[in-house]
Amino acid sequence: GENVEQHPSTLSVQEGDSAVIKCTYSDSASNYFPWYKQELGKRPQLIIDIRSNVGEKKDQRIAVTLNKTAKHFSLHITETQPEDSAVYFCAASRGGGGFKTIFGAGTRLFVKA
Amino acid sequence: NAGVTQTPKFQVLKTGQSMTLQCAQDMNHEYMSWYRQDPGMGLRLIHYSVGAGITDQGEVPNGYNVSRSTTEDFPLRLLSAAPSQTSVYFCASSDERGGRDTQYFGPGTRLTVL
Repeated sequence: GENVEQHPSTLSVQEGDSAVIKCTYSDSASNYFPWYKQELGKRPQLIIDIRSNVGEKKDQRIAVTLNKTAKHFSLHITETQPEDSAVYFCAASRGGGGFKTIFGAGTRLFVKA
Repeated sequence: NAGVTQTPKFQVLKTGQSMTLQCAQDMNHEYMSWYRQDPGMGLRLIHYSVGAGITDQGEVPNGYNVSRSTTEDFPLRLLSAAPSQTSVYFCASSDERGGRDTQYFGPGTRLTVL
């Protein structure tokens, strides 16, 4: 079945440094790749997404890259701040939005002040 | 708009009991999904629906039933609760119309099965 692997499971960075989280998906028909941020005790919230016809997308300090050939996509956070500390999930689906979305196991990001 | 709502927020069950987790959305979204979240395992898809009257299984459907009689509601039924079903359950909805793809999550239900 479909699978999304996410690495690392834990990431600790100094405030101001960059953080990179990588994901690999197995279903070659996947065409939509969202990233969610979940703070402790809260619900996941979408922070950025990318479609298969785009190789890179940026929104302020956050960027996502996609390599469809290798079935890899990555989240890049620059100039990290303590409020970036949270669990980040990557996901993949064949349709947009919620159509059978498969999530990675998550990365717990700690940003040390 | 209230967005996606879930009830109850917390629930404790005994093994073998049944119950229904409620989920409703007021955004007229086509897609609705149920996930369970366990430590270190991320969000795993239980069941999903692409519209009223249409449901399908996700990654971990065993022990759960769903139905979608209206666009707004997507209840999740636990037939005979087991300790392995102790988890946090999230409902989500989304819609592709107009190019909107964001999946909106409810606040979650924390379920403990003793």
